[in-house]
Amino acid sequence: SQKIEQNSEALNIQEGKTATLTCNYTNYSPAYLQWYRQDPGRGPVFLLLIRENEKEKRKERLKVTFDTTLKQSLFHITASQPADSATYLCALARPISGNTPLVFGKGTRLSVIA
Amino acid sequence: NAGVTQTPKFQVLKTGQSMTLQCAQDMNHNSMYWYRQDPGMGLRLIYYSASEGTTDKGEVPNGYNVSRLNKREFSLRLESAAPSQTSVYFCASPDPGREQFFGPGTRLTVL
Repeated sequence: SQKIEQNSEALNIQEGKTATLTCNYTNYSPAYLQWYRQDPGRGPVFLLLIRENEKEKRKERLKVTFDTTLKQSLFHITASQPADSATYLCALARPISGNTPLVFGKGTRLSVIA
Repeated sequence: NAGVTQTPKFQVLKTGQSMTLQCAQDMNHNSMYWYRQDPGMGLRLIYYSASEGTTDKGEVPNGYNVSRLNKREFSLRLESAAPSQTSVYFCASPDPGREQFFGPGTRLTVL
């Protein structure tokens, strides 16, 4: 079965710096990969999706890269703000995803310190 | 358009009691899922329903049953609650090939 590792359970950075979160997977290459944000006491909220034939995706201050050779995705938040503090989850879809559920990593808790 | 709704938000049960967690989506999606989330364990899939009338086991189905009542509703039942089922439960519904929408969660404590 697919295993997903998000590099650290917690990450602290200073306001204004770029936060970089890592998602590594084993076994099959997913059809696509997604990143979600989760605030305490709330459900995850979708941020970005990147497909296997895409190298990079951007949305405002967010950037995701996908390297199928390294079996890794990097998630960057530039010019980070205290409001970016949350847990970030990566999720993978199987190659023929159809209606097969995503597999989620355990998440990285990001704290942006003012 | 409420997305995914769940009831109740909080529940406390005694060991051996039963309860049903309700989930509904108004996005006309075919699939619906139930996850549990525990500290250090991440989101784990309990059961899923790829379409109305079908259900399948996920990673941690033991102790649970589900019913896909219609296209909108997918319920999760604990027949005899155990302390190990203390968790936060999330219902979700994907837009295929796009994002997955989550409900607000049910925080369940079993004493």
